[in-house]
Amino acid sequence: SAVISQKPSRDICQRGTSLTIQCQVDSQVTMMFWYRQQPGQSLTLIATANQGSEATYESGFVIDKFPISRPNLTFSTLTVSNMSPEDSSIYLCSVETGDGKWVTEAFFGQGTRLTVV
Amino acid sequence: DQQVKQNSPSLSVQEGRISILNCDYTNSMFDYFLWYKKYPAEGPTFLISISSIKDKNEDGRFTVFLNKSAKHLSLHIVPSQPGDSAVYFCAASGGGLGRGSTLGRLYFGRGTQLTVWP
Repeated sequence: SAVISQKPSRDICQRGTSLTIQCQVDSQVTMMFWYRQQPGQSLTLIATANQGSEATYESGFVIDKFPISRPNLTFSTLTVSNMSPEDSSIYLCSVETGDGKWVTEAFFGQGTRLTVV
Repeated sequence: DQQVKQNSPSLSVQEGRISILNCDYTNSMFDYFLWYKKYPAEGPTFLISISSIKDKNEDGRFTVFLNKSAKHLSLHIVPSQPGDSAVYFCAASGGGLGRGSTLGRLYFGRGTQLTVWP
């Protein structure tokens, strides 16, 4: 299992500003994942954060809007840049375990509830 | 395109009775399925999983059933307890959808809010 600490847990931000969310894992992991859950929607993968290389972004998400850092195997940050009210969501970081072929379990941080006003 | 669907946004059940949460998927490449429970202000926590080689997996009060031909799975909670009140997410994984590694990504449904009342 993995324990993930994510902060801040919530924030209210002004339009046009940026917020950096931090995620700390209690063990070394190769990949960390950032998700967004908009109200009434499913968890949507934003990007995969790999240590030592650029993050891999899913369709619809770009690095300029959601820059990610991954300085070591236990830590990652996601920045939501130039925020607008449409960015109001819950942001979650996650790590996964698998049997070498499939993802068999995922662990999540407690989430960051972002409100942009 | 929603590849994992939970068509019931909410479910209300009396304590002691069975809760049945349903999930449908569209991609036949999915081979591993997971259920997560989420309380307010917390991240989702893993509940139970099932691989496609099985049609049933049981863990205490929780049982997941998989019907591959119908691309349907369900989570049964018996007996339901007020502490089970939470949002339940269904997720699916498939190796053919990998992102540069042997691990495929997870696709999530939108969740079902379960309320268990005394």
